Amino acid sequence: DSGVTQTPKHLITATGQRVTLRCSPRSGDLSVYWYQQSLDQGLQFLIQYYNGEERAKGNILERFSAQQFPDLHSELNLSSLELGDSALYFCASSVRGQANTGELFFGEGSRLTVL
Amino acid sequence: GQQLNQSPQSMFIQEGEDVSMNCTSSSIFNTWLWYKQEPGEGPVLLIALYKAGELTSNGRLTAQFGITRKDSFLNISASIPSDVGIYFCAGQNYGGSQGNLIFGKGTKLSVKP
Repeated sequence: DSGVTQTPKHLITATGQRVTLRCSPRSGDLSVYWYQQSLDQGLQFLIQYYNGEERAKGNILERFSAQQFPDLHSELNLSSLELGDSALYFCASSVRGQANTGELFFGEGSRLTVL
Repeated sequence: GQQLNQSPQSMFIQEGEDVSMNCTSSSIFNTWLWYKQEPGEGPVLLIALYKAGELTSNGRLTAQFGITRKDSFLNISASIPSDVGIYFCAGQNYGGSQGNLIFGKGTKLSVKP
C-alpha cells in the first residue's frame, strides 16, 4: 500500500460526458502528480501541483483540468470525453521533505472507459 | 521531446534465470529510476540512481546509471515467480519539474515456475 488513494477505481461513461477523478496523497506529501497510462503511449505526465499551486504541466489536453485543495487532495476533471481518453489515470505523490528526486508514490489508478 | 527506448519489450524466462533489461535516450538525464508495475497496481519504485556510473543494488536487483548519462540497465538475478510484472525505466533532468519524469514503455516480464 503506497498510501496514495484514488477514487473511483473504475468508471464507464459515454462520449461527451465529464468525469472527476479524486486523489488523496500520502500523509504529509505536498506534491501531487497526474499521469495517464494507455497501451500505446505508456505513462504520460499530465500535471503537477505543489501545496495547492500548479507546478508543472505536461501533455495535458485543454479539455482536462486539475486542482489541489487546501487539504492537499487533488481532483482531475476530464470533459467532453472522447473514445481515446479511455486509459488508466494515476495519481502520485512525492516523498515528504525531498525535492526533485523523481521518487514518486503511485496510487492504484482509476480506469476510465469511454463508450 | 525526450524519449526513452526500453528493451526488450517482453521477456519469457524460467524461474531461476537472470534477467537484464536496459533503457537508452538520445539526450542525457541527471536521474535514472526503475519502477515495477504489477497487474491492477500503480508503479512502485525499485531503484533510484543519481550519479553517472553509479551501481546500486536492492536485494536481487542491480541497476546502473550509464557513464554517458544516456542509458541505464536493470538486472534481476535468480528470478522468482513474483518478479512478474512490467518494469519501467524513467529519466529526469534537474531544472525540469520533479513530476516531469520521462518513462520508457516498459519491459513485460513473465516467469515460468
